[in-house]
Amino acid sequence: SQELEQSPQSLIVQEGKNLTINCTSSKTLYGLYWYKQKYGEGLIFLMMLQKGGEEKSHEKITAKLDEKKQQSSLHITASQPSHAGIYLCGADPFGGSNYKLTFGKGTLLTVNP
Amino acid sequence: EAGVAQSPRYKIIEKRQSVAFWCNPISGHATLYWYQQILGQGPKLLIQFQNNGVVDDSQLPKDRFSAERLKGVDSTLKIQPAKLEDSAVYLCASSLAPGALRSYFGPGTRLTVT
Repeated sequence: SQELEQSPQSLIVQEGKNLTINCTSSKTLYGLYWYKQKYGEGLIFLMMLQKGGEEKSHEKITAKLDEKKQQSSLHITASQPSHAGIYLCGADPFGGSNYKLTFGKGTLLTVNP
Repeated sequence: EAGVAQSPRYKIIEKRQSVAFWCNPISGHATLYWYQQILGQGPKLLIQFQNNGVVDDSQLPKDRFSAERLKGVDSTLKIQPAKLEDSAVYLCASSLAPGALRSYFGPGTRLTVT
């Protein structure tokens, strides 16, 4: 089965700082999802990557899938308190769908004003 | 567009008691998922429905967990009897179809078993 390891497990940054969260897979990634979760809320879709070398951005968040398709990174530029939460990566083992996603354990981000 | 609705939002029960969770997916979404998220872990898929049929329940502890989606819309997830290790957030998600590029998650039900 596919396993995802996220690093770091938690991160505390000052508002305005940049940060990166990594997601490493034990197998080739055919589809990689990034979600954000706030306490007491469900998962909010951020973006999905399928192709090696692909990079997508949404507001100040950029995600990349490396060429070998076994690692993804999520980068936040000029962090704000609204970016605080748990970031989860999820792997789609079949490619191109959200069927039977396997998730990492998450990275807890705290942004201090 | 209304999102995925779940109730109750919080539930506290004693071990060996029964509990049921309800989910109403986004209108028109044929695929419905139930996930279990234990504190400090990522969500784990319990069961997937396509309309009112079960597509995958390989990770559902069938000796105590059951789920149904009788009319292909709402769904209920039941635990009977509950154990301490069932304490978790139960997330419901829906998508247009199994091959859809994304699913939409509800706010979850936080279950505490004492």
